[in-house]
Amino acid sequence: SQTIHQWPATLVQPVGSPLSLECTVEGTSNPNLYWYRQAAGRGLQLLFYSVGIGQISSEVPQNLSASRPQDRQFILSSKKLLLSDSGFYLCAFSGDYEQYFGPGTRLTVT
Amino acid sequence: AQSVTQLDSQVPVFEEAPVELRCNYSSSVSVYLFWYVQYPNQGLQLLLKYLSGSTLVESINGFEAEFNKSQTSFHLRKPSVHISDTAEYFCAVGHTGGFKTIFGAGTRLFVKA
Repeated sequence: SQTIHQWPATLVQPVGSPLSLECTVEGTSNPNLYWYRQAAGRGLQLLFYSVGIGQISSEVPQNLSASRPQDRQFILSSKKLLLSDSGFYLCAFSGDYEQYFGPGTRLTVT
Repeated sequence: AQSVTQLDSQVPVFEEAPVELRCNYSSSVSVYLFWYVQYPNQGLQLLLKYLSGSTLVESINGFEAEFNKSQTSFHLRKPSVHISDTAEYFCAVGHTGGFKTIFGAGTRLFVKA
């Protein structure tokens, strides 16, 4: 069966520190992969999506970046975090029609 | 361009009462429609989907949604809610060959005892 993992589950980082969030998918090959962010009380904001290894599309200009070094691995990074980067980060992959979401990472930038 | 509007940001309702969460979409092409549910501090889970065929679709836990093409709506209903239905509900739209799913802003359903 298809599963998706994200880690860490929670993270508290100071302003200006780097960030690396990892997402891996099992049970499927060559999935479309997505990073979303939810700010407190807000909806989903699509940050990046990838249709293959090394192929990244950015939806919102910001100080975040994404990489896909392997078929089923998707990484969200930042060199220097801002307070506004706080939020709930969700990774997802596409099935035939719908998307499947990971459990999320709660990031608090202090 | 596609868009999704969820008309209510919060819906408080008493236990065992009926509920309707409203969703309207805009698209120039044929669409697939979805409702997702998110419990606190968790990822989104697919609740139900419309791809084609019967315009009324149902979930395993008693929710249903009806695709209305003329009104471009996909409202979610449940005849009798439970405390455990308290969650945030997202309406979403996709289309054939599209890489992206467009999500609404979400409706927070709060079921009171």
